[in-house]
Amino acid sequence: GENVEQHPSTLSVQEGDSAVIKCTYSDSASNYFPWYKQELGKGPQLIIDIRSNVGEKKDQRIAVTLNKTAKHFSLHITETQPEDSAVYFCAASTLLTGGGNKLTFGTGTQLKVEL
Amino acid sequence: GAVVSQHPSRVICKSGTSVKIECRSLDFQATTMFWYRQFPKKSLMLMATSNEGSKATYEQGVEKDKFLINHASLTLSTLTVTSAHPEDSSFYICSARDQGWQGGGSLHFGNGTRLTVT
Repeated sequence: GENVEQHPSTLSVQEGDSAVIKCTYSDSASNYFPWYKQELGKGPQLIIDIRSNVGEKKDQRIAVTLNKTAKHFSLHITETQPEDSAVYFCAASTLLTGGGNKLTFGTGTQLKVEL
Repeated sequence: GAVVSQHPSRVICKSGTSVKIECRSLDFQATTMFWYRQFPKKSLMLMATSNEGSKATYEQGVEKDKFLINHASLTLSTLTVTSAHPEDSSFYICSARDQGWQGGGSLHFGNGTRLTVT
């Protein structure tokens, strides 16, 4: 099955700096890669996603890049703010044998933006 | 944007009792919903895929008789934890896809239910 690895597990940056979180996946058939932000005690919130026919996508301060050949994708947050502090999860969509899709999640990155 | 509502947000129950958690898609129809379990500081573990009008598909190691899933309509799926035990205490999260991924759909999560079994 699909295996998604995520690094780093914790990341501390100064306010205003950029933060980068990286993920790798194992199943070359995966074709959808979302990123989620989870605040304490809440469910994950979709912040950006990318499909395999696109190499890069940007939404204001957030961008995601995808390298299908190397099977890795990254989340970039620029001009970080304290409210960006949360746990971030990457995921990859895997096609199931019987049809349908299943998301496999990375292990999460605790981002802390310090003043 | 697509909203998934999950209720209750917190529940405390006694060992041996059953607890029902509801998951609703508020502004879209979801033929498929997913139930996850999350342990503290851990990633999300898929428990089962809930299909409207048919039986749920459970992941390996998840007891279907203990975690009953019903997806009776295009906007509602329920998870019932039967005969709950302290080891069932966890954060349960549902999610729903607003349309097929090939069609550009995305997966949206509810805010989770913190279950504590005493």
